[in-house]
Amino acid sequence: GENVEQHPSTLSVQEGDSAVIKCTYSDSASNYFPWYKQELGKRPQLIIDIRSNVGEKKDQRIAVTLNKTAKHFSLHITETQPEDSAVYFCAASKTNFGNEKLTFGTGTRLTIIP
Amino acid sequence: DAGVTQSPTHLIKTRGQQVTLRCSPKSGHDTVSWYQQALGQGPQFIFQYYEEEERQRGNFPDRFSGHQFPNYSSELNVNALLLGDSALYLCASSFDLRETQYFGPGTRLLVL
Repeated sequence: GENVEQHPSTLSVQEGDSAVIKCTYSDSASNYFPWYKQELGKRPQLIIDIRSNVGEKKDQRIAVTLNKTAKHFSLHITETQPEDSAVYFCAASKTNFGNEKLTFGTGTRLTIIP
Repeated sequence: DAGVTQSPTHLIKTRGQQVTLRCSPKSGHDTVSWYQQALGQGPQFIFQYYEEEERQRGNFPDRFSGHQFPNYSSELNVNALLLGDSALYLCASSFDLRETQYFGPGTRLLVL
């Protein structure tokens, strides 16, 4: 089955600087890659997603890049703010015959230092 | 527009007991997936329901079972609870098996 690895497990960034979180996946058939943000005690919130026919997607301060050949994708947050502090999860799934299950990474705890 | 809702928010049970968790999908959604999130880990897929049938299942024992109702709401049942079943149980909904899944707030289960 699919295996998703996520690094780093913790990340501290000065406010205003950029943060990068990286994930690798094992199943070359995976074609959908969402990122979720989970604040303490709250639900995972979808912040951005990318499909395998696209190499990069951007939404204001957040961007995701995908390298299908290397089977890795990354989340980039620019101009970080205190409210960006949370745990971020990457995930992968196959959607060829309807949505398969999401396989999640182990999470990255991002702390923004004021 | 109502989002995904789950009940109860918290639950305390003892080993060997049975528990039922409930989920109402986001308005317009018809597919419900259940995940277990242990402390400090990513969510793990339990199973998915579509058209009132279990469509796919993760690596969870038969003690975990579910149901989907005609109004698309869903239940997760866990029998013979173990200490290791203590976790946050998340429900996610989507439309017509499409990939974008939205999560509910979860039910935190503590097994003593």
